[in-house]
Amino acid sequence: ETGVTQTPRHLVMGMTNKKSLKCEQHLGHNAMYWYKQSAKKPLELMFVYSLEERVENNSVPSRFSPECPNSSHLFLHLHTLQPEDSALYLCASSKTGYGSGYTFGSGTRLTVV
Amino acid sequence: GENVEQHPSTLSVQEGDSAVIKCTYSDSASNYFPWYKQELGKRPQLIIDIRSNVGEKKDQRIAVTLNKTAKHFSLHITETQPEDSAVYFCAATYGGSQGNLIFGKGTKLSVKP
Repeated sequence: ETGVTQTPRHLVMGMTNKKSLKCEQHLGHNAMYWYKQSAKKPLELMFVYSLEERVENNSVPSRFSPECPNSSHLFLHLHTLQPEDSALYLCASSKTGYGSGYTFGSGTRLTVV
Repeated sequence: GENVEQHPSTLSVQEGDSAVIKCTYSDSASNYFPWYKQELGKRPQLIIDIRSNVGEKKDQRIAVTLNKTAKHFSLHITETQPEDSAVYFCAATYGGSQGNLIFGKGTKLSVKP
């Protein structure tokens, strides 16, 4: 494990379902990120949380709802998704301030049927 | 807006040859440039990075060069091996001191034995 843990690893959900993705880090980082990775747009930034505050929402549809209850945990709540939302969802964390590498989780492979 | 262009999108080399991947960035305030390697089915992993006060950095068979004037940076892999086959992403910071990263679209490197 890298220090960033994502669950579940795989998720299949219907378009009317509600599910949540979870990300957890114990690296002492103070920023967390959600990325969507698909064949068409690799590593597409969705949300940025810095010090538990959402600082960026990259024009993501409202059917994706992030939550950051503390600096170690990040959630992505999903509801009424579309088949085109099927992708690998990657969580990452970092220390802000000077620019440092992200540590990625292993991702959740989401399939919307 | 900020942008990172990466070329080529695919690269095929013979084992033992060198591989070069190039990126350009648009934000003149960018000060940190990491490179990530993503093997099939795995998470992106940081392999090397460079800060804006350095022109070149080397780590065994991989090296990165930075030209701040031209706003481009490159990844060089020498003596390539089949296990170097992966997708490589460049990235650059944007948004001032927060250190958020914007990624290139990736280069799929294939090393043929």
